[in-house]
Amino acid sequence: GAVVSQHPSRVICKSGTSVKIECRSLDFQATTMFWYRQFPKKSLMLMATSNEGSKATYEQGVEKDKFLINHASLTLSTLTVTSAHPEDSSFYICSAHSRDSLRGEQFFGPGTRLTVL
Amino acid sequence: AQSVTQLDSQVPVFEEAPVELRCNYSSSVSVYLFWYVQYPNQGLQLLLKYLSGSTLVKGINGFEAEFNKSQTSFHLRKPSVHISDTAEYFCAVSVKDTGNQFYFGTGTSLTVIP
Repeated sequence: GAVVSQHPSRVICKSGTSVKIECRSLDFQATTMFWYRQFPKKSLMLMATSNEGSKATYEQGVEKDKFLINHASLTLSTLTVTSAHPEDSSFYICSAHSRDSLRGEQFFGPGTRLTVL
Repeated sequence: AQSVTQLDSQVPVFEEAPVELRCNYSSSVSVYLFWYVQYPNQGLQLLLKYLSGSTLVKGINGFEAEFNKSQTSFHLRKPSVHISDTAEYFCAVSVKDTGNQFYFGTGTSLTVIP
């Protein structure tokens, strides 16, 4: 089956530093990757959609300069939280759409727990 | 615009009892429907999906769901729950032929009581 990995699974950083989260599709090529944010006891909130080789499309209210997304290849997308602050602490989940899937399926990564001190 | 409603935020149920988690959606176009389960501090695991064909869909771990187009519902059911089914469950829709974007419900927390 289609597998999506995220690295790191957990990260703790100091306020003001930047953190990079990687999302990889391990056994398929992902034309589109999505980044979600999930607060405790809440649903997933779509942050942005990234297509390989083009700029990401951000949802309303999501700061482009704070959450930098790069989709450099068909198997890798990265989310960089710049100048992180405690309010950025959250669970970040990526998902990928397979170019071979014609039916809107997404495959989700295991998530990254970010804690900003 | 699309939206997904999960009316029950929390569902407690005794072990070996049946359970139904409700999901309703609103969309003026055709959609694909999904149920995901999330265990603490983990990502989403696909339980089942409806893409086309039979409206009764069977998934993993003994779960099933029925697509009802007239009622725009996709309720999840299991005839006998286990302690290990305690988790958060999310219903999601994806609009056919457009952008692959998912719309998630707010989630239902299922707690199985011994």
